[in-house]
Amino acid sequence: TQLLEQSPQFLSIQEGENLTVYCNSSSVFSSLQWYRQEPGEGPVLLVTVVTGGEVKKLKRLTFQFGDARKDSSLHITAAQPGDTGLYLCAGASGTASKLTFGTGTRLQVTL
Amino acid sequence: DSGVTQTPKHLITATGQRVTLRCSPRSGDLSVYWYQQSLDQGLQFLIQYYNGEERAKGNILERFSAQQFPDLHSELNLSSLELGDSALYFCASSVVPSSGRADEQFFGPGTRLTVL
Repeated sequence: TQLLEQSPQFLSIQEGENLTVYCNSSSVFSSLQWYRQEPGEGPVLLVTVVTGGEVKKLKRLTFQFGDARKDSSLHITAAQPGDTGLYLCAGASGTASKLTFGTGTRLQVTL
Repeated sequence: DSGVTQTPKHLITATGQRVTLRCSPRSGDLSVYWYQQSLDQGLQFLIQYYNGEERAKGNILERFSAQQFPDLHSELNLSSLELGDSALYFCASSVVPSSGRADEQFFGPGTRLTVL
């Protein structure tokens, strides 16, 4: 069974701070996605990374896929209250189309 | 708005009952996925359909079943409901099935099922 562990589970920070969320597994994934989910809504895709070592930037968010494609990180610079939500990583492997979701990181950004 | 619709938004029922959740994928998407999200289990993949046929199966209980119709909408049937089935059920859709990389999956707003 593939497991994706995220850390930290909960994070409460003030506006303007930087943070990093980690997504780790002992399994290799062909690609990895990051989603953000707000209360009462479905997850929304933020990014897909495919190549080991790949770095993608989305405004203040920087996503990195580990060289071995077993782990990933999400770094947020100068967090804002609008970044509040549940961040989920999800990996796909082989020809399987199902995603294995991580345990989630709940982020709260306060003024 | 992802373009994926799910009905109903909320469902309250009793143990032992049977319910049907409905999902309409984004226009043009052939693949539909069902997920269960509970507080202690996170987001769990249940099953995927592609163009009417079952494509992949996850941790779906035998009491649960799904199907995708010719118009591509999908239904998830949950029977002999137990208290532990209370959860959010999400449907997602994508254009094509994976060929070694993850599709971009677009999630619906979910159905919150409460079993009393």
